[in-house]
Amino acid sequence: GAVVSQHPSWVICKSGTSVKIECRSLDFQATTMFWYRQFPKKSLMLMATSNEGSKATYEQGVEKDKFLINHASLTLSTLTVTSAHPEDSSFYICSARRGWTRSYNEQFFGPGTRLTVL
Amino acid sequence: QKEVEQNSGPLSVPEGAIASLNCTYSDRGSQSFFWYRQYSGKSPELIMFIYSNGDKEDGRFTAQLNKASQYVSLLIRDSQPSDSATYLCAVNLNAGNNRKLIWGLGTSLAVNP
Repeated sequence: GAVVSQHPSWVICKSGTSVKIECRSLDFQATTMFWYRQFPKKSLMLMATSNEGSKATYEQGVEKDKFLINHASLTLSTLTVTSAHPEDSSFYICSARRGWTRSYNEQFFGPGTRLTVL
Repeated sequence: QKEVEQNSGPLSVPEGAIASLNCTYSDRGSQSFFWYRQYSGKSPELIMFIYSNGDKEDGRFTAQLNKASQYVSLLIRDSQPSDSATYLCAVNLNAGNNRKLIWGLGTSLAVNP
């Protein structure tokens, strides 16, 4: 159990276009999902926390108008990179939390989406 | 600033040896601790988590937690070349309703045949 899918797995787009990435928890309900970005040979950078039915919480320095997050259901969250530029090229990874007490924060990751903006 | 620190490595061990990965954290209120493995170009996968002081064993992996010293470690017994990856330590930060993991930068492990 605890499978998270992400779509697409890779995307190449032109500068100025918008790209939508989907994250789904396949066999559990996730009230909270997380969006990360990772540059080559660098650590994970949390971009935002996505809660079902409410606005996402963005980390400092992440532009909420550029990275739109919608958590429409308990199994689906989407990240839209608006007006993408080459510097947005990165590996975007979502995770879903399957926690059953307030102490746990067990996160399961999707396979990631590699975005290349030309 | 809540921090999680790991030695970046690379840590190199021969096949069959025990690999020891260490992690320290700054927030004394942290309650749960996670070890993830990440292969190059892939997303992290959860190896195990621990929340009580002491040891927790799962197959070849043992997590050790010492809350007084704010220290958590991961031991990999009988290391295999397939264990070569970056190991990420993550600590659960309870910040009101915004619970999230604070991540270390990871330790690169190389297991040599």
